[in-house]
Amino acid sequence: EIVLTQSPTTMAASPGEKITITCSASSSISSNYLHWYQQKPGFSPKLLIYRTSNLASGVPARFSGSGSGTSYSLTIGTMEAEDVATYYCQQGSSIPRYTFGGGTKLEIK
Amino acid sequence: EVQLVESGGGLVKPGGSLKLSCAASGFTFSDYYMYWVRQTPEKRLEWVATISDGGSYTYYPDSVKGRFTISRDNAKNNLYLQMSSLKSEDTAMYYCARGGVNYFDYWGQGTTLTVSS
Repeated sequence: EIVLTQSPTTMAASPGEKITITCSASSSISSNYLHWYQQKPGFSPKLLIYRTSNLASGVPARFSGSGSGTSYSLTIGTMEAEDVATYYCQQGSSIPRYTFGGGTKLEIK
Repeated sequence: EVQLVESGGGLVKPGGSLKLSCAASGFTFSDYYMYWVRQTPEKRLEWVATISDGGSYTYYPDSVKGRFTISRDNAKNNLYLQMSSLKSEDTAMYYCARGGVNYFDYWGQGTTLTVSS
């Protein structure tokens, strides 16, 4: 099973600040199989980025994703209040045994 | 608009059974793989079950294999999860999700299962 480790587990950012969340895989995966979700408080998860760097429909351009091999990252170019959420990475490499990272809770200062 | 609406959650004693349902609308249900994903009280997300578009293929993690059964009715646009021999560690919010290519592109609002005596 591929284990995904996210860091940090919790962070706080000021409006306008650039933030980066990382996702480390226990073994190398293709960039086609790494995805990100956003879960706002009280809501279900929502697809944010698929295949490492593709924004899902309706996702603001301040979000971006990058990475390869075992190291991936999610970046918010300028933090906004509406970005307060928990962010999860997910791998689809070991089909059909999908796994998620433990999540990064993003708060606003 | 894609909509997935789960139902059937509740409080069940250890060893008990329960069947969850998910009503799908806004897309051609029979064209998509469907999934159940759960979120534990600690907020960890876990894939629980997969069913192919036609229903012929199903997959489970070891943690639920032999206890959970995923099924679908493409005529009624419904997805199901039959759960038996329930354990306290099955306590979670259960989400129905539509399959993109190895990811989950739409999620329902979830239904809560609590396993407790």
